[in-house]
Amino acid sequence: EAGVAQSPRYKIIEKRQSVAFWCNPISGHATLYWYQQILGQGPKLLIQFQNNGVVDDSQLPKDRFSAERLKGVDSTLKIQPAKLEDSAVYLCASSLIGRTQETQYFGPGTRLLVL
Amino acid sequence: QQQVKQSPQSLIVQKGGISIINCAYENTAFDYFPWYQQFPGKGPALLIAIRPDVSEKKEGRFTISFNKSAKQFSLHIMDSQPGDSATYFCAAKEYGNKLVFGAGTILRVKS
Repeated sequence: EAGVAQSPRYKIIEKRQSVAFWCNPISGHATLYWYQQILGQGPKLLIQFQNNGVVDDSQLPKDRFSAERLKGVDSTLKIQPAKLEDSAVYLCASSLIGRTQETQYFGPGTRLLVL
Repeated sequence: QQQVKQSPQSLIVQKGGISIINCAYENTAFDYFPWYQQFPGKGPALLIAIRPDVSEKKEGRFTISFNKSAKQFSLHIMDSQPGDSATYFCAAKEYGNKLVFGAGTILRVKS
């Protein structure tokens, strides 16, 4: 079974530029998550999709971050414009639906450095 | 607001020793408590998980101890090996499968 795919793996940009990250979840997983992991901290949920609808985006800085999941499969996360404090690893995860299907499977992440 | 507090930040254990990582939470609505293991350059991977109706769960060398009244849970790694050197995160699940993570513990097992 293929895992969660993410690209690019690394990205370096100047502040105020825009950047986009792509995620392809495990086949059949209806729920998709984007996390931000700042160095030395645990992952923080930014947004959660179920199929192509948003379940939770309470911690997404909506003035600069946006995400979409067209057709309920792939997803993109965009930052525009980027700030220095956005430097982090952006992790995508996916899971099945159901009370006993809580396991979230993470991709390798995209490491973003904002200069 | 840190909903899940994890300690210690880092831990050095001799090969063959026991590694113990502790977590505490406040929100009694949490209903699932996983531990994730993360190697450098990789995403976190589920190691072991427990529900609050169980006080202990063991899988191989890994054991979760859960104290519902104290709102604490811990990970014990028996016979720790150099290959266990990684960052460990505790987490707690609230509504809608939303995970709240602790800050992580960097474990180094010395051979």
